[in-house]
Amino acid sequence: EVQLVDSGGGLVQPGGSLRLSCVGSGFSFSNSAMTWVRQAPGKGLEWVSGISGNGDSTYYADSVKGRFTISRDNFKNTLYLQMNSLRAEDTAVYYCAKDPVNILVVTAMDYWGRGTLVTVSS
Amino acid sequence: QSALTQPASVSGSPGQSITISCTGSSRDVGGYNFVSWYQQHPGKAPRLMIYDVTNRPSGVSTRFSGSKSAYTASLTISGLQAEDEADYYCSSYTGSSTLVFGGGTKLTVL
Repeated sequence: EVQLVDSGGGLVQPGGSLRLSCVGSGFSFSNSAMTWVRQAPGKGLEWVSGISGNGDSTYYADSVKGRFTISRDNFKNTLYLQMNSLRAEDTAVYYCAKDPVNILVVTAMDYWGRGTLVTVSS
Repeated sequence: QSALTQPASVSGSPGQSITISCTGSSRDVGGYNFVSWYQQHPGKAPRLMIYDVTNRPSGVSTRFSGSKSAYTASLTISGLQAEDEADYYCSSYTGSSTLVFGGGTKLTVL
């Protein structure tokens, strides 16, 4: 059974940092492009970042470029999102997700984590 | 990375068919056959319903179908059922190796 378990959310002050994690199981982790998607309270989905299966290629939304860093450890089957210089508008539930077929880029997301809430507030 | 355009809401009666549109540009919907659709019930993670414009993942009802014409993709749900009531989001791959979502459509089953 494919599972994605995301964690690491919490309350952080503006300007602070947080690292999210997502552990995958039940599939070939290193052969799957992965992504982070967020959803602000009461709002729609927003794509945040993506990474290729081997971690060599990374992609970011303009809203987080230069502040967030996506990475992965294929030995630990774990995806990360390092979030720095956090702002109030980064408050959201963050989901990790995997692509059904692609290794290089994410074009769709067939399995999702349950989400982890990040709240940026003083 | 402008969001794709979806109607805010649609509704239909049980047994009817509805269609949700998703309009983009040549940089996303019109440029690639990588449009997908997601269903999200309150408090739950999204669920993939359609990928690559027309493909249905295993386990998704055949009542769900997708299509695309020029810059507009569509999700059609036939034989509406109460459990179809949810928010629906489209997304598209873009030329800069990124993804863009639509604003979401709330489906109400009357």
